[in-house]
Amino acid sequence: QVQLLQSGAEVKKPGSSVKVSCKASGGTFNTYSISWVRQAPGQGLEWMGRIIVILGSGNYAQKFQDRVTITADKSTSTAYMELSSLRSEDTAMYYCAREVAGQVTKDAFDMWGQGTMVTVSS
Amino acid sequence: EIQMTQSPSSLSASVGDRVTITCRASQTISKFLNWYQQKPGKAPKLLIYDASSLQSGVPSRFSGSGSGTDFTLTISSLQPEDFATYYCQQSYSTRTFGQGTKVEVK
Repeated sequence: QVQLLQSGAEVKKPGSSVKVSCKASGGTFNTYSISWVRQAPGQGLEWMGRIIVILGSGNYAQKFQDRVTITADKSTSTAYMELSSLRSEDTAMYYCAREVAGQVTKDAFDMWGQGTMVTVSS
Repeated sequence: EIQMTQSPSSLSASVGDRVTITCRASQTISKFLNWYQQKPGKAPKLLIYDASSLQSGVPSRFSGSGSGTDFTLTISSLQPEDFATYYCQQSYSTRTFGQGTKVEVK
């Protein structure tokens, strides 16, 4: 069964960093682009950035360019999102989502992880 | 970055109603527009991709239309399980979402 499985909830102090993982089971990881999308409590969806796994590179939303790093480990089919200089406004659910090259849905997020809650509090 | 604007932000409807949600892009995005449904506590679910293609397993009462800058999601006959929040998202360039439309019980 193809799925994206994310790491567990995190509680962090302001100014620290958090690294969230997203492990793909099933499917062909090399054909994926993995995006990270966050949702603050009661708010909408916010795209943060993505990695094109086969290239090992991607792009980021301007808002997060200086603070987020997205990587992928092909050997374990796992993508990571690290957000630094955390502040209270970063408290949110963080989702990974995939786009799959070669599929008819290649430019859409056809599968999502279950979400990882990150709480930033002193 | 391309801005996506949905309207309305919320609407009240009854089971059986026809519901229409619009999404406007700040510049042309051709057909690179997707729609998602999100229920409380759950990850979003893809409904429509490439503006008008129905994702596998999604009921046919959902449909999408539009191209360029103006797009529409239509639910032909609202069902109890359709009360949720709906988001548009462009994949023409660095991805962005609309602010969401909450469909509530009238």
